Amino acid sequence: AQSVTQLDSQVPVFEEAPVELRCNYSSSVSVYLFWYVQYPNQGLQLLLKYLSGSTLVKGINGFEAEFNKSQTSFHLRKPSVHISDTAEYFCAVSAPGAGNKLTFGGGTRVLVKP
Amino acid sequence: NAGVTQTPKFQVLKTGQSMTLQCAQDMNHNSMYWYRQDPGMGLRLIYYSASEGTTDKGEVPNGYNVSRLNKREFSLRLESAAPSQTSVYFCASSEAFRQGGFSNQPQHFGDGTRLSIL
Repeated sequence: AQSVTQLDSQVPVFEEAPVELRCNYSSSVSVYLFWYVQYPNQGLQLLLKYLSGSTLVKGINGFEAEFNKSQTSFHLRKPSVHISDTAEYFCAVSAPGAGNKLTFGGGTRVLVKP
Repeated sequence: NAGVTQTPKFQVLKTGQSMTLQCAQDMNHNSMYWYRQDPGMGLRLIYYSASEGTTDKGEVPNGYNVSRLNKREFSLRLESAAPSQTSVYFCASSEAFRQGGFSNQPQHFGDGTRLSIL
């Protein structure tokens, strides 16, 4: 079975500063990786996904993530955040034998301060 | 575009009461899912339906039942609500996963049902 660990439960950051959200997963086989964002009182929206190929993946709203197989990590970054990026971010993994079931990390709450 | 629609948005129950959470999607997706979200625990899968006519248990199925009414609709029932079931419930849908493998298809989520059990 796979698991996902998001190393920071909360990340405060000032507007226009960079942010990195850390995600590590455990799996003995190749996986697909996803980042979702949840704005207050809403459902989850897909930010980006890694399936194969280039390890640097670009998503919506200026976010990008880098897949590192040797470190089993999939960290999310944005070079300059806006107030509107205040949200909770979830890393998730899909693995063979699991159909389309996703395993989610515990989430990282980002608070952007003016 | 409606996407995934959940009803109700909010509900307060007393311990022992029953209720059904409704979910409908208009994207012609084969697979549907029910999750619960609790602080610090991310989303945990309760039940899922890979295709119309099939349902399977997820990580935390105890105390819940589901019905895949048709391709569009997937309901979650609490037969005898308990305070431990206070949570935010999300329904999601996706394209069917590929047979024999695993899927790269993202899931599409509703806005959730906030359920409090007193």
